[in-house]
Parts: sequence; C-alpha cells; structure tokens
Amino acid sequence: ETGVTQTPRHLVMGMTNKKSLKCEQHLGHNAMYWYKQSAKKPLELMFVYNFKEQTENNSVPSRFSPECPNSSHLFLHLHTLQPEDSALYLCASSQDGADHQPQHFGDGTRLSIL
Amino acid sequence: LAKTTQPISMDSYEGQEVNITCSHNNIATNDYITWYQQFPSQGPRFIIQGYKTKVTNEVASLFIPADRKSSTLSLPRVSLSDTAVYYCLVVLTGGGNKLTFGTGTQLKVEL
Repeated sequence: ETGVTQTPRHLVMGMTNKKSLKCEQHLGHNAMYWYKQSAKKPLELMFVYNFKEQTENNSVPSRFSPECPNSSHLFLHLHTLQPEDSALYLCASSQDGADHQPQHFGDGTRLSIL
Repeated sequence: LAKTTQPISMDSYEGQEVNITCSHNNIATNDYITWYQQFPSQGPRFIIQGYKTKVTNEVASLFIPADRKSSTLSLPRVSLSDTAVYYCLVVLTGGGNKLTFGTGTQLKVEL
C-alpha cells in the first residue's frame, strides 16, 4: 500500500474516445503530480498542483486536461489521443510543492491507444 | 538541452557493493538530489536524498562532490531483490528551473 491509488490500472481506448484517469492520496499531502513514462524513457513531468492550484504545465498538449478538485484527488482527462500517447501514467504526491520534498508514487495506469 | 544522465544498465552479484552515478551539470544551486527505485509495474519508491557531501540511511548511501555536478548512489551488499531501475531526480536550470528525472539505470543482481 503506497498511500497513492490510481485507477484504472490498465486502459485501452481508441483515438476518438474520452476517458479519465483518477488518482487519490491518503497521505495528507498538498501537492500532486502527473508524470508520463514511455518505454525506455525517463519519467516526464506533465503537471503539478499545489494546494489545488496548477503550478506547472510542461508544454503538455491540450488533449490532456488535468483537474484537481481537492488536495486528495487528481484527475487526468483524455480526449482525441494519439498512438504516441500510449505509456504508463504515474501520479505522485508530496507534502507541498517544494522540489526537495520526496514524492510518493502510485503504481500507474498503463494506457494503450488503438 | 540540460539533461540528467545515468548508465543504462549495470550487472552485479549478491553481496557486492553497487555504485550508480548520475551526471547533472546544470543542477540548480539550492535544490536537493533524490534517488528512487522502480520495480516493474510499480511506481518509483524514494530511496535517499541529499544536498552535499554524504548521506546514509538504512538502505543506501549518497555521495555528492563539492561541485554537485554528479551524485553516486551506493547500495551495500546487494541482493536479488535489489534488481530494479534506479533514477536520480534533480532540479535543472536553463530555461527556468525544471524538475528532471535521470535516464534511469537498470540494475541486475545475480547469484
């Protein structure tokens, strides 16, 4: 049990579908993150939320839309994705948004775009 | 483009000490260096963090030279269960500070 739960664990969708990834943390943290991990590549930071406010967007295409309704929940809304978006999407949380705070990761959602 | 680089892979045997180095020439002045371990189908797990010189905890040591342009994760007496991918995480400067994971090192431990 990592304290950070991601659902679903696996998702297969067509390029025209709309789906959402969910992340929930039970650690009382105030910062949450979305990462993309493609095969044979390092983790790429996508979005950062700190106290429900988005503080970082690393030039992520608009077909990825994050939502953070409260400090415990984070969503990633997906629409009109491309095959190159197939990857492991990881959520993480930390005490606050300070870069040195250790991050606690979920086990990810494996996304496959047909 | 500022990067954080690591050896792609390393092989070792049980009981040996393993040292994994991460190069981060453009590290931000005031930020820490953090190392994570990742098993297949799992998210990364925090191992150790440091700012300078040497840090040790129950599972690893972290060595950081004075210029902080690299760091070395040291795993004493590895076992089969240490087979995993190891990542460093730093904040890089250049075009704004950016939290950046290293390229990752696949460690394989054999009997």
